[in-house]
Parts: sequence; structure tokens; C-alpha cells
Amino acid sequence: EAQVTQNPRYLITVTGKKLTVTCSQNMNHEYMSWYRQDPGLGLRQIYYSMNVEVTDKGDVPEGYKVSRKEKRNFPLILESPSPNQTSLYFCASSSSGATYNEQFFGPGTRLTVL
Amino acid sequence: AQKVTQAQTEISVVEKEDVTLDCVYETRDTTYYLFWYKQPPSGELVFLIRRNSFDEQNEISGRYSWNFQKSTSSFNFTITASQVVDSAVYFCALENSGGYQKVTFGIGTKLQVIP
Repeated sequence: EAQVTQNPRYLITVTGKKLTVTCSQNMNHEYMSWYRQDPGLGLRQIYYSMNVEVTDKGDVPEGYKVSRKEKRNFPLILESPSPNQTSLYFCASSSSGATYNEQFFGPGTRLTVL
Repeated sequence: AQKVTQAQTEISVVEKEDVTLDCVYETRDTTYYLFWYKQPPSGELVFLIRRNSFDEQNEISGRYSWNFQKSTSSFNFTITASQVVDSAVYFCALENSGGYQKVTFGIGTKLQVIP
């Protein structure tokens, strides 16, 4: 089954404790993105990646890091989480070129930073 | 910079009424893509439609229809004969072209369909 998976789905942590949210897709997609969703703000793009080792900042990259060492994985790293990073996070992937039609989203990761 | 405005934050309609969700966008690109996504109360994001900037034909899919007007930079979404299952948050999004994927979402419109 074609899908985007994220882990963990729920996480409560404390300020300053490094964490990684994993994202994996099994569709051989070139493009992957991370978004955060906050009430009243919609979804905002954090980082996106066009292919292995190619990443770029979205609208709200501060406090986040990403890496794309393999095509299927695009982890989101919070080196020193802060309470303002409490949010719902979505990973997405899509193909490029003529086959591109939509982004496939993961189920979301709800993060609480105390 | 690109921007997507969904001016209606919340809409309530009675079942079987028609409802239109507005989306206005700003971009300097001549080639771009517009999307609508649905987020039901369960939280997942469901793709509804993608439209490129060169295709201004209106689209109909069952009870859903979309009206794309480049002259007014709008991409409005109409649900005909609304149903309770249509209750969700609907997002409009804009993606610029050029071989990369910078995507800007609107803040969403929460639609409540009352039985």
C-alpha cells in the first residue's frame, strides 16, 4: 500500500531535549516536505527536499533541521525544542514531472514541548 | 512572495444547501499550481484537486466543483447539496513551479454542515 508514515504519532517532551520525527514513503517520490499546523495559521512549510541531499527552507525553518540521505526518508530534527514548537506536524511526498498530481500526507505527529 | 487568502474562517450551512469556499492567491510566477485539500475531524489531509495555471477550465467532480479565474486570482470551491460528511476544514494551496516544491497554504475554512 502506497503511504507516508511518520513516527512517533504523539510525543510529549521537555524544553531542550533533542528529538527526531521520522518520515518515510514507499512510493519512490523525489519531493518531500515538512509542515506544521497551528490553529488560525493553517499549514506552514518548514523544509522541503527535491531529492537526495537537496533540501531548502520553507516559510518557518527556524529551530528545525532536516536531512535527506536516502530517497525514502526525510527526518525532522529539533535540536533544542521549545514550547513554541508545540504543534501538529505533517510530512508529505510527491513525484516530480509529468506524473506529479498531488502531495501524499502522512498521518501527522502531535508534539507537545513542556 | 506568494500568498493564499481564505477569508472565510468558518461557515455553517444546513444540509442540502450549496456552499462556496473562497480562495484568492498572489504570486509573481506565470506557471503555478493550485490545490484544495480536505481535513476531516479525524485529522488526515485528503487531496481534492490540482489545477495548473494554464488550465482555466472549471472542473466538476460529483457534488464538488471548482471555478478558476486568473483575472481575479481566485480558485473557488463549491459543494452542491452539502452533506454532514462534508464537515471539515478545507485548505487552498499554491505551489510555484520551476522544479522545486515551495507550497503555501491558506489558513483554512472550517465548514460545518448542520443536519
